[in-house]
Amino acid sequence: DTEVTQTPKHLVMGMTNKKSLKCEQHMGHRAMYWYKQKAKKPPELMFVYSYEKLSINESVPSRFSPECPNSSLLNLHLHALQPEDSALYLCASSQEGLAEFYEQYFGPGTRLTVT
Amino acid sequence: SQQGEEDPQALSIQEGENATMNCSYKTSINNLQWYRQNSGRGLVHLILIRSNEREKHSGRLRVTLDTSKKSSSLLITASRAADTASYFCATDPQRGSTLGRLYFGRGTQLTVWP
Repeated sequence: DTEVTQTPKHLVMGMTNKKSLKCEQHMGHRAMYWYKQKAKKPPELMFVYSYEKLSINESVPSRFSPECPNSSLLNLHLHALQPEDSALYLCASSQEGLAEFYEQYFGPGTRLTVT
Repeated sequence: SQQGEEDPQALSIQEGENATMNCSYKTSINNLQWYRQNSGRGLVHLILIRSNEREKHSGRLRVTLDTSKKSSSLLITASRAADTASYFCATDPQRGSTLGRLYFGRGTQLTVWP
């Protein structure tokens, strides 16, 4: 199984709502990532989990809260978002190696609209 | 910024023609990767070339890397309409950490007309 799944595919939420994005992989990967991608722009790294521990937070506002309950799951909790947070949120995973970096496998993304 | 910069931003060709996309970057890297993204979908990894490699092939794809010029190119031969997508280069900068931060370039939008 070389698939990364993300739910939901689409999400519309108000600025006072709390919602969560979910990501799952069963490839035994120990690194998982959240990216944000605005239209016609490249993906921008938000968070990296390594062995279920948060290892990189790219200065993301606290209204985005990541969680890694186990090695296969990655969540992104959303609260009090702004309309400018509307974007495609991509999850990815990769192996970790001592000396090499492996390719990342991406999910299809969640299209988030904040109203 | 350590992001790669793709050139051209948009490329439009006929089926059967070759498509060449270029990527330049700023810092020393461990490797450079090329990804493809169909409209509004997830990215698909195409090829990874390490800093000590100069050329790599995968099917109809050919990637070159010139670390002295900090540049890479992606060649798609005998293009097909199904190759229509955005293509991104992504660099893994040389750092102490083995966990890669990938920096994506702005991408090239390739359109292949039947």
